[in-house]
Amino acid sequence: EVQLVQSGAEVKKPGESLKISCKGSGFRFPHCWIGWVRQMPGKGLEWMGIIYPGDSDTRYRPSFQGQVTISVDKSINTTFLQWNSLKASDTAMYYCATPGTGDSWDAFHIWGQGTKVTVSP
Amino acid sequence: QSALTQPASVSGSPGQSITISCTGSSSDVGSSKYVSWYQHHPGEAPKLMIYDVSNRPSGVSNRFSGSKSGNAASLTISGLQAEDEADYYCSSYTSSNTQVFGTGTKVTVL
Repeated sequence: EVQLVQSGAEVKKPGESLKISCKGSGFRFPHCWIGWVRQMPGKGLEWMGIIYPGDSDTRYRPSFQGQVTISVDKSINTTFLQWNSLKASDTAMYYCATPGTGDSWDAFHIWGQGTKVTVSP
Repeated sequence: QSALTQPASVSGSPGQSITISCTGSSSDVGSSKYVSWYQHHPGEAPKLMIYDVSNRPSGVSNRFSGSKSGNAASLTISGLQAEDEADYYCSSYTSSNTQVFGTGTKVTVL
């Protein structure tokens, strides 16, 4: 079965660091772009960035550049989204998704279940 | 890189057809063959409904159709059903080799 399985919900304090994960199975993970999408409470979907596990080529939406880091460990078919210093405004649901292809322009056919991140004092 | 513009809400009665617009620019929708649409029920993962402007993934009802003209794309839902009530988002590849979502449209079935 083709799927993306994300790590569980997190509750953190402002200033703390965090790394959430997204593990792929059932498809050629190293050869498929994996993206991250944010949904803040009551708001719409936002495309954050995308990574190609084969060579770690990474692209960010300008507003997320420098705010988060997307990385990958292709040996375990897992991509990560990382913050060095969380802010209350990082409170959101985060989805990983993949087109299941090696083309970054393709739509996201496969989605993870989402990871809820709550940042509160 | 601003979000694509969608109407905040669209409503229709069961059996009717509705159309959701998605307006971008020459840097995204206007220059891209890669416009997609997602259905999002609260508490669930988004679901791809249309890709490459007008293609439906396997398993998606043919009541959903997509089109594009200039800097704007559209999603039409025909024969509206109660289960179609959800949030819908368009997305487009951009000239910066990234993607951008629309602002989202809440579809209500009256």
